[in-house]
Amino acid sequence: QQQVKQSPQSLIVQKGGISIINCAYENTAFDYFPWYQQFPGKGPALLIAIRPDVSEKKEGRFTISFNKSAKQFSLHIMDSQPGDSATYFCAASRGNTPLVFGKGTRLSVIA
Amino acid sequence: DAGVIQSPRHEVTEMGQEVTLRCKPISGHDYLFWYRQTMMRGLELLIYFNNNVPIDDSGMPEDRFSAKMPNASFSTLKIQPSEPRDSAVYFCASSRGQGSFAFGSGTRLTVV
Repeated sequence: QQQVKQSPQSLIVQKGGISIINCAYENTAFDYFPWYQQFPGKGPALLIAIRPDVSEKKEGRFTISFNKSAKQFSLHIMDSQPGDSATYFCAASRGNTPLVFGKGTRLSVIA
Repeated sequence: DAGVIQSPRHEVTEMGQEVTLRCKPISGHDYLFWYRQTMMRGLELLIYFNNNVPIDDSGMPEDRFSAKMPNASFSTLKIQPSEPRDSAVYFCASSRGQGSFAFGSGTRLTVV
């Protein structure tokens, strides 16, 4: 049973465009929703995270939108740059339990 | 802070051999996690520890896999005997509660 479903699997965006990655979760007890960025040969690194008491969080060009009633959250990358090309993972957890990850989205930003 | 340190970075071994992966968590982090990453299954949790005690090993695929955490600064993941289907990238991560989850750079294991 996949607790966090992520889409799309891959995404190609023009430089300067908006990249949007979506995740849906099943467990309503989840209370922490981070996004991780992974470059080839590296481990995932925390990019931005949100808790269910807010509907949006913005850090620079990265924004998480959260819809509690729909059990969905998304990552928006504004003004996408070639350096943003990486694999992005959404995740969720409850309390101190381990993160459950989506299967990842490979983003390619082309000039 | 050096981050989570894993060794080796790459391991190539023959089927049937024992493989030991090592991890040094971030000092002060009381949770340690072992994940496995493959193209097909993504990031899968294998086992996690809290204060050096194994909490949940239900993700360990078979008895061939074992993990230990003898102290707060060191953990091992052992595969004995190794099989080609164990080929993957193995990540160690540590955290101090929720929100400070840090991954190492991983060990790429190839079993031939």
